Amino acid sequence: GAVVSQHPSWVICKSGTSVKIECRSLDFQATTMFWYRQFPKQSLMLMATSNEGSKATYEQGVEKDKFLINHASLTLSTLTVTSAHPEDSSFYICSARELRDSRRAGELFFGEGSRLTVL
Amino acid sequence: KQEVTQIPAALSVPEGENLVLNCSFTDSAIYNLQWFRQDPGKGLTSLLLIQSSQREQTSGRLNASLDKSSGRSTLYIAASQPGDSATYLCAVSTGNTPLVFGKGTRLSVIA
Repeated sequence: GAVVSQHPSWVICKSGTSVKIECRSLDFQATTMFWYRQFPKQSLMLMATSNEGSKATYEQGVEKDKFLINHASLTLSTLTVTSAHPEDSSFYICSARELRDSRRAGELFFGEGSRLTVL
Repeated sequence: KQEVTQIPAALSVPEGENLVLNCSFTDSAIYNLQWFRQDPGKGLTSLLLIQSSQREQTSGRLNASLDKSSGRSTLYIAASQPGDSATYLCAVSTGNTPLVFGKGTRLSVIA
């Protein structure tokens, strides 16, 4: 099946620093990628929709200046958590949609996630 | 606004038992429905995708059904194994839009 890769898998940083998380679709092109965050024992919460070549669309309550999203190519989207604080500690997961294979139309594939811990 | 509910929230069964996980959604105008598996601290693995025009999909010991008119889907797991222990998430899409997730069912299969 389609593969979505995230890097890094986990990161620990000091409060006030910025952290970049990459999301790559390895064997398909994704014009749209989605970024989610997940707190312990809770379901996924959509943060933003990343569209290749245009600005991301953020969900209500998500600070676009804090969570910078760049989707510069059809296989790569990045999420940068700027000036991270302990409350930003979470599990961040990206997903990408396979569009060309009609058998899997609309199916979303997820990365392995990136666990961010801000000290 | 689409809402997805999964019942039960947690389930513990002995190995070998067949089981059913339930998912319901409030807006029947969906594009597709997906079942995912999530292991602790890991990302999501897509298990089954059911398009709105389909009624069920099967993969190995897994069978997912969809009744769009009643807003329900079930995931049937046959002959459960300890390796099936995970959280199972149901999610629906209303087009080229993000998925709306349920809160998941945490399954424990006891050897």
